[in-house]
Amino acid sequence: DSGVTQTPKHLITATGQRVTLRCSPRSGDLSVYWYQQSLDQGLQFLIQYYNGEERAKGNILERFSAQQFPDLHSELNLSSLELGDSALYFCASSGTAPEAFFGQGTRLTVV
Amino acid sequence: GEDVEQSLFLSVREGDSSVINCTYTDSSSTYLYWYKQEPGAGLQLLTYIFSNMDMKQDQRLTVLLNKKDKHLSLRIADTQTGDSAIYFCAEEKDSSYKLIFGSGTRLLVRP
Repeated sequence: DSGVTQTPKHLITATGQRVTLRCSPRSGDLSVYWYQQSLDQGLQFLIQYYNGEERAKGNILERFSAQQFPDLHSELNLSSLELGDSALYFCASSGTAPEAFFGQGTRLTVV
Repeated sequence: GEDVEQSLFLSVREGDSSVINCTYTDSSSTYLYWYKQEPGAGLQLLTYIFSNMDMKQDQRLTVLLNKKDKHLSLRIADTQTGDSAIYFCAEEKDSSYKLIFGSGTRLLVRP
């Protein structure tokens, strides 16, 4: 168990809908990262938050947004969903050490 | 570019050593990582190496780093069937722990 908790584990939704994925980082970790894993793109970095502030942005679509709350949990919002958004979405957290620990992921299926 | 490259597949016999190779692109990466992903599971951090090191050993795992060639390898000694999984190498970008992943090497351990 990495200590990073993601909910829900599975999500099935229709095209055009909006979903929210939730992540609780390891206790004490200030940084949260979101990654997308798909068959065609592999593992792609989406966005990083550090103590509530956006720190780095990767290949994140404009339809996607994220935030980190004062209690350090983070949410990834995906809107106007398309079939191609079906993927495994991972959250990771890190503290002062260089190790990033990943959650079990949320598998999103858009039908 | 940001490509981290790995061979797609490796098959070894139980008890043999496995060597998984990776080439990365960013010579300024401070840390390089190896993650393991079992079917239907999240990413498990196996080990990481600081860029000023040539080698790091952790039980059955040995990481070798050749900075000149930007080549990273993971050796698993006495490979077991439980080691069958996908192994990802990753480089850190921009000193922010943002990780760029390779496409993963599927390791199959034959009894």
